[in-house]
Amino acid sequence: DAGVIQSPRHEVTEMGQEVTLRCKPISGHDYLFWYRQTMMRGLELLIYFNNNVPIDDSGMPEDRFSAKMPNASFSTLKIQPSEPRDSAVYFCASSFSGPNSPLHFGNGTRLTVT
Amino acid sequence: GNSVTQMEGPVTLSEEAFLTINCTYTATGYPSLFWYVQYPGEGLQLLLKATKADDKGSNKGFEATYRKETTSFHLEKGSVQVSDSAVYFCALKSGGYQKVTFGTGTKLQVIP
Repeated sequence: DAGVIQSPRHEVTEMGQEVTLRCKPISGHDYLFWYRQTMMRGLELLIYFNNNVPIDDSGMPEDRFSAKMPNASFSTLKIQPSEPRDSAVYFCASSFSGPNSPLHFGNGTRLTVT
Repeated sequence: GNSVTQMEGPVTLSEEAFLTINCTYTATGYPSLFWYVQYPGEGLQLLLKATKADDKGSNKGFEATYRKETTSFHLEKGSVQVSDSAVYFCALKSGGYQKVTFGTGTKLQVIP
């Protein structure tokens, strides 16, 4: 089991540029989550999918953020245009359904917007 | 709504000291409870879980007991090591919802 795989591990970009973060969940998991972690705000849920369908995107901060899951093995989080306040570590996590199923996190993408 | 409250950190302990990190929760129904650990530069990983009242979760010397009467799930370890230095998150899943409610995290630093 390779775990949840995220790319890139680090991204440095200039304000106004488009940023795309990628995630490959664990095979067989039917839920996928995108989180953002900062010192000030802690861990925030941005959006989650069930069987590739977005279920709750109420945590997406603005229209500049969008997420897709075109198939069961791939998801993207896009920020366009990026701003310095978007600088954070972005985590993808996946899980089986069920109240006892834990989340499995990737190692995150550290985004720096200058 | 659901919420998780953890003790403020950072917590600094000497090696071989006893560790307690307090966690209390508010939830509808009967939640499942989790402790996650985050090492520097990594994502969160499951440390232990308990799915019903009086269950004890344990892993790597850490333990936590699901106390419904006090709505608590305190994390304990009898003898911490330097390698236990990390951030610890208490969390819950409740009812039919797949969203996980996390506490704010408690940073533990163990010094030799």
